[in-house]
Amino acid sequence: AQTVTQSQPEMSVQEAETVTLSCTYDTSESDYYLFWYKQPPSRQMILVIRQEAYKQQNATENRFSVNFQKAAKSFSLKISDSQLGDAAMYFCAYNAGNMLTFGGGTRLMVKP
Amino acid sequence: EAEVAQSPRYKITEKSQAVAFWCDPISGHATLYWYRQILGQGPELLVQFQDESVVDDSQLPKDRFSAERLKGVDSTLKIQPAELGDSAMYLCASSLVLREGYNEQFFGPGTRLTVL
Repeated sequence: AQTVTQSQPEMSVQEAETVTLSCTYDTSESDYYLFWYKQPPSRQMILVIRQEAYKQQNATENRFSVNFQKAAKSFSLKISDSQLGDAAMYFCAYNAGNMLTFGGGTRLMVKP
Repeated sequence: EAEVAQSPRYKITEKSQAVAFWCDPISGHATLYWYRQILGQGPELLVQFQDESVVDDSQLPKDRFSAERLKGVDSTLKIQPAELGDSAMYLCASSLVLREGYNEQFFGPGTRLTVL
């Protein structure tokens, strides 16, 4: 069974600074997808960024980028120019065969 | 923008009572998921539907939980009887059937259940 591990229960960043959230996963598959989801307090979960395992190039979406290390099974999320609205729970998720497996989440706090 | 709808948003019940949650996926989304999210943890899949058929319910506690999607559109998740350990957020998500191994899931706001 696939597992997803987020080793940082909480992270804090100063507004306008950069923060990196870590994620590792375990799989025997070669073709899969990885996601970062954001869950703001009392609001629904939304997709932040996705990475296809067969693509070597790291995905980027505006201020959000990933560092995908397939051999190391590592998938970290970098948030640049952090904003107050980035404060939320962030979940790393693995997808193969239409099943999504989530990590335990990292709570990101943004200090003004 | 189309969204996944869920109701109620909050539910408080006493143990041994029955509760039901409703989900209306984004129009045209054939796949529907129910997740349970315990406070401070990531969501865990309970059941997955493809149209009206159950694709995966291996993690659904079938002695007390049931789910249906009779017409392949909206869905109901029921718990009977509720237990204290069922207190959690219940999330519904839907997705288009895309290519194998990839389906972007869109989540609803969830129903927060408290069992007293």
